Amino acid sequence: NAGVTQTPKFQVLKTGQSMTLQCAQDMNHEYMSWYRQDPGMGLRLIHYSVGAGITDQGEVPNGYNVSRSTTEDFPLRLLSAAPSQTSVYFCASSSTFWGEDEAFFGQGTRLTVV
Amino acid sequence: AQSVTQPDIHITVSEGASLELRCNYSYGATPYLFWYVQSPGQGLQLLLKYFSGDTLVQGIKGFEAEFKRSQSSFNLRKPSVHWSDAAEYFCAVGGVTGGGNKLTFGTGTQLKVEL
Repeated sequence: NAGVTQTPKFQVLKTGQSMTLQCAQDMNHEYMSWYRQDPGMGLRLIHYSVGAGITDQGEVPNGYNVSRSTTEDFPLRLLSAAPSQTSVYFCASSSTFWGEDEAFFGQGTRLTVV
Repeated sequence: AQSVTQPDIHITVSEGASLELRCNYSYGATPYLFWYVQSPGQGLQLLLKYFSGDTLVQGIKGFEAEFKRSQSSFNLRKPSVHWSDAAEYFCAVGGVTGGGNKLTFGTGTQLKVEL
């Protein structure tokens, strides 16, 4: 049972480069989300999706783009990387929309922008 | 808007000592409350959750938490800490807000265990 799989685990980007962080889940969850984790700030919601074809912004969406073409996949795109996007990124999925069910997290992607 | 406050950034306890991590939340209705643990270099793992019913909930690894509506608190406890409990702990509140479904995390408490 793989759960939530994120790739890559580590990435170094130069300022201005673009890249896609991959996230896949095999639990048939409708709700998926992306968080970034920064020291002293906990986890902050970037974007989320309540089902295939439906996405919305979270607290810190600027500089990121998402799409949800299938239930399983929810990639996060950095359009033009900036040093402020250096962070650890987590993808999560859950079966309910109302925050009442456990969210399952991937292992994280540690991104450094130089 | 919902919010979570974890007032302790760092806590150090001796192995075998008891532990209490504090969490206060702000939410307009009965919240869904969670505690997650993050070991170094790992993702988050659910320790326990509260939705309704008994206000004392038991979780994995010997942890428990008590929901106190009057104090808007959901503190995490463990009677005897093990060295392997050293990790970062996050309290979270879930529910529907004006912006839709949301799981809001506190800033975390880093637990160090002294042998």
